Amino acid sequence: GAVVSQHPSWVICKSGTSVKIECRSLDFQATTMFWYRQFPKQSLMLMATSNEGSKATYEQGVEKDKFLINHASLTLSTLTVTSAHPEDSSFYICSARGEGGYSNQPQHFGDGTRLSIL
Amino acid sequence: AQSVAQPEDQVNVAEGNPLTVKCTYSVSGNPYLFWYVQYPNRGLQFLLKYITGDNLVKGSYGFEAEFNKSQTSFHLKKPSALVSDSALYFCAVRDRGGATNKLIFGTGTLLAVQP
Repeated sequence: GAVVSQHPSWVICKSGTSVKIECRSLDFQATTMFWYRQFPKQSLMLMATSNEGSKATYEQGVEKDKFLINHASLTLSTLTVTSAHPEDSSFYICSARGEGGYSNQPQHFGDGTRLSIL
Repeated sequence: AQSVAQPEDQVNVAEGNPLTVKCTYSVSGNPYLFWYVQYPNRGLQFLLKYITGDNLVKGSYGFEAEFNKSQTSFHLKKPSALVSDSALYFCAVRDRGGATNKLIFGTGTLLAVQP
């Protein structure tokens, strides 16, 4: 089946640090990738949608200068949390959809990254 | 506005008993419907989807879901629950006729299967 690898799985860093999270589709080409944020005991909040080779589309209320997304290839997207602060601490999950990006195909999810800012 | 509702925060069931996790949706057109499962500190795993055709959809790990257009529901079911089924379950919808291609998730239902 389709596998999405997300790295790192856990990050602890000091306030003010920038943190990069990688999301890779291992056995398929991901036309579209999605980045979500999940708070404890809550649903997933879509942050942005990225299509390979183009700028990401951010959801309302998400700071694009704070959360930099790059989708440089069909198998890799990165999320960089710039100058992270404790309120950025959360569980970040990426997702990828392949097969031409048709919307009837399921999204495949990475295992998430637990970000803790001290 | 598009939305998905999972009315139960938690469902408790004894091992071996049938389980149902409820989901209702509201979209402007015909929906694409999905169920995902999340284990602690993990991402979501795809269980099944409804696109068109038979209203009863079979998925992974013995789960199935029934699409009911008149009730705008897509309840997840399993005939015999296992302790290992205990996890957080999310229903999601994508409006096939909409301009956006993003998934809309419900708030999740925690399934607890007691031995």
